[in-house]
Amino acid sequence: ETVMTQSPATLSVSPGERATLSCRASQSVSNNVAWYQQKPGQAPRLLIYGASTRATGIPARFSGSGSGTEFTLTISSLQSEDFAVYCCQHHNNWPWTFGQGTKVEIK
Amino acid sequence: EVQLLESGGGLVQPGESLRLSCAASGFTFSSYAMGWVRQAPGEGLEWTSIISGSGDNTYYADSVKGRFTISRDNSKNTLYLQMNSLRVEDTAIYYCAKRLAAAGAVDYWGQGTLVTVSS
Repeated sequence: ETVMTQSPATLSVSPGERATLSCRASQSVSNNVAWYQQKPGQAPRLLIYGASTRATGIPARFSGSGSGTEFTLTISSLQSEDFAVYCCQHHNNWPWTFGQGTKVEIK
Repeated sequence: EVQLLESGGGLVQPGESLRLSCAASGFTFSSYAMGWVRQAPGEGLEWTSIISGSGDNTYYADSVKGRFTISRDNSKNTLYLQMNSLRVEDTAIYYCAKRLAAAGAVDYWGQGTLVTVSS
């Protein structure tokens, strides 16, 4: 099973600033990584799949990059609605697994 | 508009069974793989199982293999999860999930149904 490890666990950022979140796979997953946003009491929301493809309706301030074992989600200019938990998931081979999440909080 | 509506959650004792249902609408149900993702209280997300559009292929996480069975009725646009021999550690919100056609990511989620296993 491929383990997905996210860092940092918590990221404190001021509105308007850039946020960079990392996700590392325990073995290569090619570019088969998705990123989700989750707010309290809500289901996750797909942001990125295939490491860098934005899902339908996702603003351009969200971007993803990486391949192999190292992946990054960047939020270029944080808006108030972006403060949430973000998690990565590989979709390379079963079982697909999620990272434990990074909480982006207001600084 | 895509909608996924789960039902069937509740409180059960260890060793008991429960069947979850997910009624889908707004898309051609039989064309998409579907799955169940769970989230224990305060924890991360975990794929439990996934089934192909035709229902011919199923995959399970090791944590539920042999106890859970995923199935679908394409004539009723409904996904199921039969959960047997439930354990305390199965306590979680269970989300019905529609797989994105282009990749193994979830593009639509249900609102979730809470399963609590406790004596």
